Formats: sequence, structure tokens, C-alpha cells
Amino acid sequence: DVKVTQSSRYLVKRTGEKVFLECVQDMDHENMFWYRQDPGLGLRLIYFSYDVKMKEKGDIPEGYSVSREKKERFSLILESASTNQTSMYLCASSNGGLAGGEEETQYFGPGTRLLVL
Amino acid sequence: DAKTTQPPSMDCAEGRAANLPCNHSTISGNEYVYWYRQIHSQGPQYIIHGLKNNETNEMASLIITEDRKSSTLILPHATLRDTAVYYCIVRVYYNTDKLIFGTGTRLQVFP
Repeated sequence: DVKVTQSSRYLVKRTGEKVFLECVQDMDHENMFWYRQDPGLGLRLIYFSYDVKMKEKGDIPEGYSVSREKKERFSLILESASTNQTSMYLCASSNGGLAGGEEETQYFGPGTRLLVL
Repeated sequence: DAKTTQPPSMDCAEGRAANLPCNHSTISGNEYVYWYRQIHSQGPQYIIHGLKNNETNEMASLIITEDRKSSTLILPHATLRDTAVYYCIVRVYYNTDKLIFGTGTRLQVFP
């Protein structure tokens, strides 16, 4: 069974704080993704990575950065949290795709609900 | 990736089969049909995917019409825990890129 875990289910932070969201997958997947999900807006891609130390901007990268030092771990960093970053954050991982030409099915973690006050 | 259309909501009695339809009339030859579901406040859960043949796994069956313009996800014996929003997505199978979730179908399973 694919397992994607996220460091926290719920998080409360203050405006201006630096926030780290961690994601770990145990399936040796090449690709990892960070999305945010907001009511009425669906899932929006923030960043993704198809290899260690590689990162690609998604649709809404502003205010975020990422780090992928090890294949199994993909971190999302909010450099200076703001109230408009209150959201549900979802990490996903997948294998294949452009990396290997195979089928690419994304598997999601349980999500982190972040509240920025 | 092609667009999909799903009914906004459906009800199903516990123990009965839940049949969730999806229209994808602009699907192209190299696009797969994927199904995910999201139970309230949890991450989306992968269910099944297929290209043109019908597929079955331990969670569900996927029936794709011969012209591939529509499909149906079947939960053979729905339980209360199957209450969730179900998303149908079509995408190129090798496309390492964002998943685009539409509004999905909210399935309510009642006792």
C-alpha cells in the first residue's frame, strides 16, 4: 500500500511566522507535489518535484518555497505566513510519468489544515 | 486534459450498488479516466483508472463506453463510509503534472 504522510493534521500559526510542512512517502516515488485546497477553488498546484533537488513551480508558487533533499521527503515552506495562506495543504506522490514513461497515478496524504492568525 | 461533467449529488441506500456517471465527450485517444474520492477533511483517495477496457479492483469497477465519451464508477455494495465527493478526471497517462479536480459528485449513502 502506498503511504504518504504529512507531519501535522492541524496547525495554527501567527502572521509572519516561518512555517514548515513536511511530507514523506514510502514508495520510492520519483514525483512529489504540493497542492492547496480551498472551498470553491478546487485543488491548486503550488510546486512539484520530479527528482531530488529538482523543483518546478505550479500555478500559485508565490509566498512558498520547497525543498527536496531526499527522494522520500518533500517540504513546503511558508517564508512569512499570511492570513490568505490559511488553507488545507495536500501532498501527493507518483511514479513514472515523464521520468519513466510509465503510468502516473498520484497518491495523496491526509492533508494539513493550516490556520494563520 | 479533457473536461468532465458529473452530477452534483446522488443518494444511495446502504448495501446497494452506487453508480456514478461521468461524461468526457472530448476525451482523446491517449487520455485515461481516473477516479478519486475525498471524504470530508481528508486527502483525495485514488480509486481506479482505465483507458478503454472495463476495470475492477477491490474498491470499485469502472465501465467505459465503447466510444469512450462517458464512464460509470460502480461501488457494488455501498456502505456509510463511502459517503464522499467522487471526482472523475481524464488525463494523459504519462503526464506528470497537476491533477485537475472538477466539482465532483457528492455521494450520500443512507442507512
